Amino acid sequence: EVQLLESGGSWVQPGGSLRLSCAASGFIFRDFAMTWVRQAPGKGLEWVASISGGGSASHDADSVKGRFTISRDNSMNNLYLQMNSLKDDDTAIYYCARGSEWLLPLEYLQDWGPGTLVSVSS
Amino acid sequence: EIVMTQSPLSLPVTPGEPASISCRSTQSLLHSNGHTYLGWYLQKPGQSPQLLIYWASNRASGVPDRFSGSASGTDFTLKIARVEAEDVGVYYCMQGLQSPYTFGQGTKLEIK
Repeated sequence: EVQLLESGGSWVQPGGSLRLSCAASGFIFRDFAMTWVRQAPGKGLEWVASISGGGSASHDADSVKGRFTISRDNSMNNLYLQMNSLKDDDTAIYYCARGSEWLLPLEYLQDWGPGTLVSVSS
Repeated sequence: EIVMTQSPLSLPVTPGEPASISCRSTQSLLHSNGHTYLGWYLQKPGQSPQLLIYWASNRASGVPDRFSGSASGTDFTLKIARVEAEDVGVYYCMQGLQSPYTFGQGTKLEIK
């Protein structure tokens, strides 16, 4: 059974940093591109960043470019999102999701974790 | 950026009746491999999203056959043949062809 479990969400002041993690199990992690999607309170879904199975290629949204970095450790089956210079607008539930294969483009997201809440406020 | 536009944004449905949600993209989602990179997702209340349909018309594993997807150019449709109470939630379309990958605004389906 595929399992994705996010962690690392918490309250942080504007300008602060957080590192989110996603622990994956139940599939060959390196064989799939991975993605972060976020959802602000009461709002829709927003794609944040994706990374290929080998980690050599990644894309991120303009809203986080230069502030967030997606990475992965295939030896540990973990996906990460380093978030710096956080803003109020980054407040959201952050979901980790598994892509359809190891390459980008994204294609589709076949499994999702339960999410972790990031709250940015002073 | 490819913009995804859904309609309607709110959809009250009587149980047992059919329902239809539309999604339009601002450019073709057809990949060179012949697949159309459009997916449909359902986010039930208090849950994370789940994949319903991929490649515009293929049901994901475990999805009931009352759900179907179709495509005509840049117009996409999700149909529910007979709505059940468990189908309530917000439905999103998403294009996975080109970064930035984009979602529609969401369609909230509720039971009358």
